[in-house]
Amino acid sequence: DQQVKQNSPSLSVQEGRISILNCDYTNSMFDYFLWYKKYPAEGPTFLISISSIKDKNEDGRFTVFLNKSAKHLSLHIVPSQPGDSAVYFCAASDLNFGNEKLTFGTGTRLTIIP
Amino acid sequence: DAGITQSPRHKVTETGTPVTLRCHQTENHRYMYWYRQDPGHGLRLIHYSYGVKDTDKGEVSDGYSVSRSKTEDFLLTLESATSSQTSVYFCAIRKEGGFYGYTFGSGTRLTVV
Repeated sequence: DQQVKQNSPSLSVQEGRISILNCDYTNSMFDYFLWYKKYPAEGPTFLISISSIKDKNEDGRFTVFLNKSAKHLSLHIVPSQPGDSAVYFCAASDLNFGNEKLTFGTGTRLTIIP
Repeated sequence: DAGITQSPRHKVTETGTPVTLRCHQTENHRYMYWYRQDPGHGLRLIHYSYGVKDTDKGEVSDGYSVSRSKTEDFLLTLESATSSQTSVYFCAIRKEGGFYGYTFGSGTRLTVV
């Protein structure tokens, strides 16, 4: 049972345009969400996060939006750069019960076209 | 960086042999995790630890065991390797004092032939 889903395995975007990566979740107890970026032959690295008490969090070119009623979050990258080409994983956690585990989605491979 | 290293980085082993992967951290964090990454499945939790000798199962723990006898080392053992355990294995640590996500190691690519 996949509690965190990324329905687009891949996405191609022109350099300079906006990249939008989507993530859906089914567990209503999730209250903290993160995005990770992964380059080949490296471990995932933390990108940006959002708590369920917010609906938006920005960090430079990266913005995460959370729609709790739809159980949907998205990552916007603008403007997209060639170095953004990577696999992006969304992840979710339920902190209320001291749950220290992250549940990850299947990943979206983003390719930025120069 | 967080000071987390995995060894070996690559390993090829035969079906039925035991294999141990090592994760070492230098920052004394309490929480450590083992994940595997497979196409179409993303990252899935195998086992995690919340202290020395304190471990628990994740969603794909069958065929794996772990040990944590020291804070800095978290070992993942495949008791009898199978081809379905061919994967990339990542170790991660979590820093205390707020939830900032995990810091991952560089991974171990394991091939079972």
